[in-house]
Amino acid sequence: QKEVEQNSGPLSVPEGAIASLNCTYSDRVSQSFFWYRQYSGKSPELIMSIYSNGDKEDGRFTAQLNKASQYVSLLIRDSQPSDSATYLCAVGRINTGTASKLTFGTGTRLQVTL
Amino acid sequence: GAVVSQHPSWVICKSGTSVKIECRSLDFQATTMFWYRQFPKQSLMLMATSNEGSKATYEQGVEKDKFLINHASLTLSTLTVTSAHPEDSSFYICSARRLDTDTQYFGPGTRLTVL
Repeated sequence: QKEVEQNSGPLSVPEGAIASLNCTYSDRVSQSFFWYRQYSGKSPELIMSIYSNGDKEDGRFTAQLNKASQYVSLLIRDSQPSDSATYLCAVGRINTGTASKLTFGTGTRLQVTL
Repeated sequence: GAVVSQHPSWVICKSGTSVKIECRSLDFQATTMFWYRQFPKQSLMLMATSNEGSKATYEQGVEKDKFLINHASLTLSTLTVTSAHPEDSSFYICSARRLDTDTQYFGPGTRLTVL
């Protein structure tokens, strides 16, 4: 079982619709959760971070975390063609004596169609 | 904001040579930086954790003598790929950890091509 699992997609949604991206993780002691957006040939860009159960909203983006189910999701409302990218779910855990390092999923490719 | 720069953005070198990549946090101090590698259509793979003033921690399977990491200041970490070979050709990305939010911010990446 992969530590962080995402459906690779592509997930195709029409412009203006809600895109729902899902991620599950295996390490129960994970403490921090992030969504990054990566355009082709570029480095990841932070979209959202979430640390506690529930929803966190930032503009058109909503992150949802359920630690009991080991599940984190990202909703993108009013999807735009510019949202077309690969979305990486990352999970952080504290290493003894060092800063938390992230484990990335393989990413979900989102295509927003006109 | 949290801005991280990398230099160079791309480099082409001959097999057997060494290449140094710099990673800088421009508007915050980073006691910890991370180095990743990404092959085409694959996910990010963590290579090593770079800690200011101490030795880097390498992930399993990453040769520490081949990928030399130095984190001499709170804003600069360098990765040197020694005796590069074509199979080292990849997209190398650094990130810097912002302490107050425990969040990693990525540099723009360095595309390395070894001929």
